[in-house]
Amino acid sequence: GAVVSQHPSRVICKSGTSVKIECRSLDFQATTMFWYRQFPKQSLMLMATSNEGSKATYEQGVEKDKFLINHASLTLSTLTVTSAHPEDSSFYICSARMRPLYNSPLHFGNGTRLTVT
Amino acid sequence: DQQVKQNSPSLSVQEGRISILNCDYTNSMFDYFLWYKKYPAEGPTFLISISSIKDKNEDGRFTVFLNKSAKHLSLHIVPSQPGDSAVYFCAATPPNTGNQFYFGTGTSLTVIP
Repeated sequence: GAVVSQHPSRVICKSGTSVKIECRSLDFQATTMFWYRQFPKQSLMLMATSNEGSKATYEQGVEKDKFLINHASLTLSTLTVTSAHPEDSSFYICSARMRPLYNSPLHFGNGTRLTVT
Repeated sequence: DQQVKQNSPSLSVQEGRISILNCDYTNSMFDYFLWYKKYPAEGPTFLISISSIKDKNEDGRFTVFLNKSAKHLSLHIVPSQPGDSAVYFCAATPPNTGNQFYFGTGTSLTVIP
């Protein structure tokens, strides 16, 4: 089955530093990957859509300069949280769909727990 | 605006009995519906899906029912097992968007041995 790998699974950083999270599709090519954020006891919130070879599309209210997304290849997308602050502490999850896109599920990575101190 | 709603935040069921998780949606354009299972500190795992041309899809112990007129879908787990204890999210997507999945807030299922 489709596997999406996310790294690291957990990271603690100091306020003001930047953190990079990697998302890889292991057994399929993903021209599009998606970054979600989950707050405690809340649903998954789509942050941005990562497009291979082009700029990411950000959802309303998500700061593109704070959450930098790079999709350098068909199997790798990265999310960099820049100048992290405690309010950025959250659970970040990436996902991807196998082609064809129509009526195919999202496959999720295992998520990254970010704690900003 | 929450287009996909799971009104029951939690559910407890005895092992061996049926678990029924419910989900309502408001957008009649949704044509593909999914259920995900999530353990703490892990990403959601795809369970089962259904397209709007069907009203039922079954995979082993899991069956999803879709009632388009009521804009309602449900997930039945029979028989329930302790390993099924997790948070279940329903999701929906309209056609031709390629990426816009709408998730419910989840229902925490506890299967009691």
